[in-house]
Amino acid sequence: EAGVAQSPRYKIIEKRQSVAFWCNPISGHATLYWYQQILGQGPKLLIQFQNNGVVDDSQLPKDRFSAERLKGVDSTLKIQPAKLEDSAVYLCASSHGTAGETQYFGPGTRLLVL
Amino acid sequence: GEDVEQSLFLSVREGDSSVINCTYTDSSSTYLYWYKQEPGAGLQLLTYIFSNMDMKQDQRLTVLLNKKDKHLSLRIADTQTGDSAIYFCAERLTGGGADGLTFGKGTHLIIQP
Repeated sequence: EAGVAQSPRYKIIEKRQSVAFWCNPISGHATLYWYQQILGQGPKLLIQFQNNGVVDDSQLPKDRFSAERLKGVDSTLKIQPAKLEDSAVYLCASSHGTAGETQYFGPGTRLLVL
Repeated sequence: GEDVEQSLFLSVREGDSSVINCTYTDSSSTYLYWYKQEPGAGLQLLTYIFSNMDMKQDQRLTVLLNKKDKHLSLRIADTQTGDSAIYFCAERLTGGGADGLTFGKGTHLIIQP
């Protein structure tokens, strides 16, 4: 079974530019999560989707971050405009969707904002 | 609020047991997880425990849960160089649809030869 796929793996941009990340969850997984992991810290949840609907986006900085999962499969996370403090690894995870199901993580996208 | 605390570093000799500790604050946590992260890699699930359990063993891994003290530990028997990584404790609340994980800052496990 293929794991969670993410692209790109690395991205370097200048502040105030825009950037987008893509995630393809494990086949059949209804729930998809985006986490932000700043260097030296644990991942922090940004947004959770159930199919194509948002379940929790309470920690998403909505003035600059947006995410969508239009067809309930792939998802994109966008930052516009980027700030220096957005430098982090952006991790996508998915789970089958039943309460208590394990979350499986992708390799992450490393973003450096200069 | 939710808060998960871990010590930042643990150094052990190869072949010894490693014990990584974690404390959490939310008594509503129903699942508690241990993830492993190697340099440049994503998070690998090691094991998890449901809150109605006290202990879970899986090969070299033993998880102990003390609900009264809100303390979770991960014991790795016969620690090997391949166990060198960052270990994250995470809690998950269930009830309602939102079930994102809250992570600690991670414990760097350093293996001495």
